[in-house]
Amino acid sequence: KAGVTQTPRYLIKTRGQQVTLSCSPISGHRSVSWYQQTPGQGLQFLFEYFSETQRNKGNFPGRFSGRQFSNSRSEMNVSTLELGDSALYLCASSLGFLAGTDTQYFGPGTRLTVL
Amino acid sequence: DAKTTQPPSMDCAEGRAANLPCNHSTISGNEYVYWYRQIHSQGPQYIIHGLKNNETNEMASLIITEDRKSSTLILPHATLRDTAVYYCIVRRDGGSQGNLIFGKGTKLSVKP
Repeated sequence: KAGVTQTPRYLIKTRGQQVTLSCSPISGHRSVSWYQQTPGQGLQFLFEYFSETQRNKGNFPGRFSGRQFSNSRSEMNVSTLELGDSALYLCASSLGFLAGTDTQYFGPGTRLTVL
Repeated sequence: DAKTTQPPSMDCAEGRAANLPCNHSTISGNEYVYWYRQIHSQGPQYIIHGLKNNETNEMASLIITEDRKSSTLILPHATLRDTAVYYCIVRRDGGSQGNLIFGKGTKLSVKP
């Protein structure tokens, strides 16, 4: 079974631009979560989508948004890029169970550099 | 904030068992212990998880103390490819609890 895929793997943007990152979950998984990883703050949760609805949200400004499509694929968008948005953006998918364990599996990440 | 405490770094000789400790003294009854690892600049890789019983899979063993306040991840025969940052995470059951809260983890260096 194919793992979580993320595109693009690397991206360079300039301040003020916007960017869209894509994530394809493991087949059959309905939940997609996004995380940001920086050297200073470590791995931080951005948001989770399940059945096209945002189910959980971390403490990030409104410039960070996401959506999920009916096939469970997800995109995240960052508008008005700042230098501090340079990070590894990780997507994780899971079955999305509301009870019991629900293991998240991560993709390889998208490395975003803002100049 | 992460609900776990891990040593910042550990060394292990290749071929020997690597025992990575984790303290989670405030763990609740419905919280699981998850372990992930991250090899430099790659996405975190799921290793194992457990509630109160010891668990084993093809990658590792997880030993949880009877009071559940600490656990140990055991890599039975460490190889150079096991060099990574290992994260111990406590997480409530149920998908709606969504996010994993990562701490700083333990940087394991496996040496020849």
